[in-house]
Amino acid sequence: AAGVIQSPRHLIKEKRETATLKCYPIPRHDTVYWYQQGPGQDPQFLISFYEKMQSDKGSIPDRFSAQQFSDYHSELNMSSLELGDSALYFCASEDRGRLRSTGELFFGEGSRLTVL
Amino acid sequence: AQKVTQAQTEISVVEKEDVTLDCVYETRDTTYYLFWYKQPPSGELVFLIRRNSFDEQNEISGRYSWNFQKSTSSFNFTITASQVVDSAVYFCALRGGTGRRALTFGSGTRLQVQP
Repeated sequence: AAGVIQSPRHLIKEKRETATLKCYPIPRHDTVYWYQQGPGQDPQFLISFYEKMQSDKGSIPDRFSAQQFSDYHSELNMSSLELGDSALYFCASEDRGRLRSTGELFFGEGSRLTVL
Repeated sequence: AQKVTQAQTEISVVEKEDVTLDCVYETRDTTYYLFWYKQPPSGELVFLIRRNSFDEQNEISGRYSWNFQKSTSSFNFTITASQVVDSAVYFCALRGGTGRRALTFGSGTRLQVQP
């Protein structure tokens, strides 16, 4: 079965550069969540989208932005990168629109960003 | 607000020992979901179990078992006869049935199983 696809899996950037992470949800899933996991930390919720609209916002820095496109894939754009942005970024998807939603999120394998 | 507490930061056991990972949660939602995830050194989040708030039945899956008690707001995870491959960070997580639907994770418990 198709899973959540994240790209790139690894990314190395310099301070003050920009980076874009992509997430392709499971087909027919309408909701995407982004999480940031720093070294030794638990995943922190950044932002989510439902049916291409932002549905909830967590601890996403102002330097970051995200959107969900018409094909339901999502992109997380990070600008003016800082050393502290080095983390594992997870995307998760959900089939929320259906009445029989089970409440389960499906996680991708993550994108590891290293800022030098 | 939702909160998940995993008081055990790190646990070390010897192979074949049983080990229980504790999880205590707080939520005002009457409907909610609880999860356990395993994160091996490779970094991916491996889904282990989801439990609905209205289903307090304990569950066993092979060497894994979960004890959900609403009265104490706990959702503990036991590994029986631990193996070296069980070494990982384990996260307990909570999501509400309404309002914020994103998962709230606990701080994780690092389990080291020594041979």
